[in-house]
Amino acid sequence: QKEVEQNSGPLSVPEGAIASLNCTYSDRGSQSFFWYRQYSGKSPELIMSIYSNGDKEDGRFTAQLNKASQYVSLLIRDSQPSDSATYLCAGGVFGNEKLTFGTGTRLTIIP
Amino acid sequence: GAVVSQHPSWVICKSGTSVKIECRSLDFQATTMFWYRQFPKQSLMLMATSNEGSKATYEQGVEKDKFLINHASLTLSTLTVTSAHPEDSSFYICSARAGTGSLETQYFGPGTRLLVL
Repeated sequence: QKEVEQNSGPLSVPEGAIASLNCTYSDRGSQSFFWYRQYSGKSPELIMSIYSNGDKEDGRFTAQLNKASQYVSLLIRDSQPSDSATYLCAGGVFGNEKLTFGTGTRLTIIP
Repeated sequence: GAVVSQHPSWVICKSGTSVKIECRSLDFQATTMFWYRQFPKQSLMLMATSNEGSKATYEQGVEKDKFLINHASLTLSTLTVTSAHPEDSSFYICSARAGTGSLETQYFGPGTRLLVL
C-alpha cells in the first residue's frame, strides 16, 4: 500500500525562524511531490511541487527531495503568523490519476 | 491560471433530499477531476476519480449509488449526494488535474460545506 507519512504536529515555530516540515513516502515509483497549505476551514492550496532530487526554491519556501531516502521536506524561511496552517504532503506518478496524501502537519507560528 | 470553482459553497438540506455540487475548471480543461471529503479535524479522504466521458472510479467503501458523479464536459464535474443523511454532513472538495508529465498538478476548488438536518 502506497503511503505518505507526516508528523501530525503541532509544530510550533517562533516568528522569523525557519519552519521545517518533513514527509516520507513508501512507493519508490513516486515521481512527483507536492506541498499544499490548508488553512482551517478552507481547501488545500498548492505551495510547491518538486520532481527532481535536490532543492527547489520559491520565495520563502524551499522544497527538498531525496529519492534515495524517500524523503521530502518543506522549509519556510522568515516564518510569519500567516504561515500557521496544516501542510499536506502528496506524492504521485506521472500519468497516474491519484495523488497519495499524508495526514498533514499542523504548523503554528508564534508571534 | 489553474482556477477551480465549486458551487454552492454552503448547502443546508433536510434528511432524505438530494444535493448536487458542481466543480468547474475555469481556465483549463480537465479530463480528470477528483472528489474528496473531509470531516472536522481529519485528513482528506479521496472519494472518487471523475473522468470526462466515462464512469467514475470510486474508492473502497464509497457507495457509488449514493454519491453520483457525472463528468459531462472537460470543465465540469458534478457530485450528487442522494438521499442525504446527517452523517453525510461534511466538507466536500473537488480538485482538477492540469498539465502533463512533470508539469502535472492537482488544483483544489474552494470546497462545499454540506449540512444535513
